[in-house]
Amino acid sequence: ETGVTQTPRHLVMGMTNKKSLKCEQHLGHNAMYWYKQSAKKPLELMFVYNFKEQTENNSVPSRFSPECPNSSHLFLHLHTLQPEDSALYLCASSLGGTSGGADTQYFGPGTRLTVL
Amino acid sequence: GQQLNQSPQSMFIQEGEDVSMNCTSSSIFNTWLWYKQEPGEGPVLLIALYKAGELTSNGRLTAQFGITRKDSFLNISASIPSDVGIYFCAGHPNAGGTSYGKLTFGQGTILTVHP
Repeated sequence: ETGVTQTPRHLVMGMTNKKSLKCEQHLGHNAMYWYKQSAKKPLELMFVYNFKEQTENNSVPSRFSPECPNSSHLFLHLHTLQPEDSALYLCASSLGGTSGGADTQYFGPGTRLTVL
Repeated sequence: GQQLNQSPQSMFIQEGEDVSMNCTSSSIFNTWLWYKQEPGEGPVLLIALYKAGELTSNGRLTAQFGITRKDSFLNISASIPSDVGIYFCAGHPNAGGTSYGKLTFGQGTILTVHP
């Protein structure tokens, strides 16, 4: 238990569905992240929120829409996805900062997404 | 963009053997992290390195931050079956500006330990 929870753990959706992934951290952190993990590929950073401000959108298609209502919660809204979007989506959190560095990131267990 | 080359891609070893894996970068990193991921879980931090030349241990695990700041090594001594998993290196340039938190990950090393 790392203090970062994700729901649901598994999700199967059609290409026309709209769904949301939820992440919650209980560590008092101020930075949260979404990563995509596909088979045989490195973890791909998608979005970074630092003190609730989005500081990174790593060229992610608009069918993925993040939302960070407060420092403890992060959502990833999904619509009109493609089969190639099937992957493990990981949320992480860290202390947060303005120094341009990198704190230790703590990961949730992930949501296994399958797009049919 | 920045890339990390992690090797080997996979290892099959006998229980009790020592393990070594490494990551190399085409550019300088000022933070190196090593994570382990088990099936159905997210990556868990094993060791964090913040200074060139630093050697840090966590139980049977030892990691080193290369002097050139372009590589890092992880060693596991006397492996046991529960060491099975995927090991990832991650680096960050600490370049300031808006680069906060933008880790670059290696491809991972899949470790299998035979009893």
